[in-house]
Amino acid sequence: GQNIDQPTEMTATEGAIVQINCTYQTSGFNGLFWYQQHAGEAPTFLSYNVLDGLEEKGRFSSFLSRSKGYSYLLLKELQMKDSASYLCAVLDSNYQLIWGAGTKLIIKP
Amino acid sequence: DVKVTQSSRYLVKRTGEKVFLECVQDMDHENMFWYRQDPGLGLRLIYFSYDVKMKEKGDIPEGYSVSREKKERFSLILESASTNQTSMYLCASSPSALITYGYTFGSGTRLTVV
Repeated sequence: GQNIDQPTEMTATEGAIVQINCTYQTSGFNGLFWYQQHAGEAPTFLSYNVLDGLEEKGRFSSFLSRSKGYSYLLLKELQMKDSASYLCAVLDSNYQLIWGAGTKLIIKP
Repeated sequence: DVKVTQSSRYLVKRTGEKVFLECVQDMDHENMFWYRQDPGLGLRLIYFSYDVKMKEKGDIPEGYSVSREKKERFSLILESASTNQTSMYLCASSPSALITYGYTFGSGTRLTVV
């Protein structure tokens, strides 16, 4: 079956760095997405990786290793507004998005 | 910016009622999706559509149907609402040729069935 694993919840301190991991086992791979979702709101697109390596976008970076079935989202200089759930999703061989359950990130002052 | 609009933010319905959830997008996207989101389970695909009048079952289609008579509108129908359909419902759209840009989601409808 298809499976995406990410931690349920993480806590970090304002100003610090946090890494949210995602491991996947899917039928085929056409890319991996990270979305941010604030409580009660819609998910919003953060990043897309299809090649191995690190993609940096401001305070957020996303890394992919296809051989290991692994990705992480790195958030630097954490701000209180980064408190949200972070969703990992993989585009499979049928171009269907398979979603992880999400990681709730709590930022403390 | 692409806008995906869901008709209601909050909805309370009685068991057995027929419920319509409407979704409209304004960027001429071919693909539209309906998900439900429950704590600890992530997003689960109910139905999707790649074109007008076309529909495909997702992972959990039981108890639901959809309608896509126009490209911009994708409706989700709960034929006879039940309490286990209490959930957050999210509509999304994407262009077929630019799937790597991801999906754009509506703000969601929180449905409570009593």
